[in-house]
Amino acid sequence: GIQVEQSPPDLILQEGANSTLRCNFSDSVNNLQWFHQNPWGQLINLFYIPSGTKQNGRLSATTVATERYSLLYISSSQTTDSGVYFCADSYNNNDMRFGAGTRLTVKP
Amino acid sequence: DSGVTQTPKHLITATGQRVTLRCSPRSGDLSVYWYQQSLDQGLQFLIQYYNGEERAKGNILERFSAQQFPDLHSELNLSSLELGDSALYFCASSVARDTEAFFGQGTRLTVV
Repeated sequence: GIQVEQSPPDLILQEGANSTLRCNFSDSVNNLQWFHQNPWGQLINLFYIPSGTKQNGRLSATTVATERYSLLYISSSQTTDSGVYFCADSYNNNDMRFGAGTRLTVKP
Repeated sequence: DSGVTQTPKHLITATGQRVTLRCSPRSGDLSVYWYQQSLDQGLQFLIQYYNGEERAKGNILERFSAQQFPDLHSELNLSSLELGDSALYFCASSVARDTEAFFGQGTRLTVV
């Protein structure tokens, strides 16, 4: 099945710093999504980005489908950005497979 | 609010018992997914339904079963519960099989 690798597994930042999270796929990218799981466990949709680049405020994402990876950029990080960031993609247009996540801690 | 509703939010039950988790997808969504997230773990895909039919199966135990009803809501049944079944169970829905998916708030199951 599809393998989804996320890096780094853990990231600690000072408030105001920028960061880049990466997601690599073993198979073709179909329906890539980025999610943020907040400390209360909620999974929040960040981007649906099978290809190209999107921006939403301080966050942006880029997917290079031909090279099977996606990047999530967080600029001017805030403490509320803390949590776990997941990427996921569909396998055979059916189930979504998730990476293990990047745990981000933003310190004030 | 994602529009996906899961009930109950919390559930505490004893080992050996059976529980049913319910999911109402977003209006118009035909596809429903179930995931299990154990403590500090990633999301494990359990099963997917599309318009009432099972479409994909992941690491779902034989003690677990699910179905999607004609009104498109879905239920996940967990039986002969063990301590290791304690986890967050998420439901997600999407319009079709290859479109953006949205997650409910999850059901936190604690088996004691």
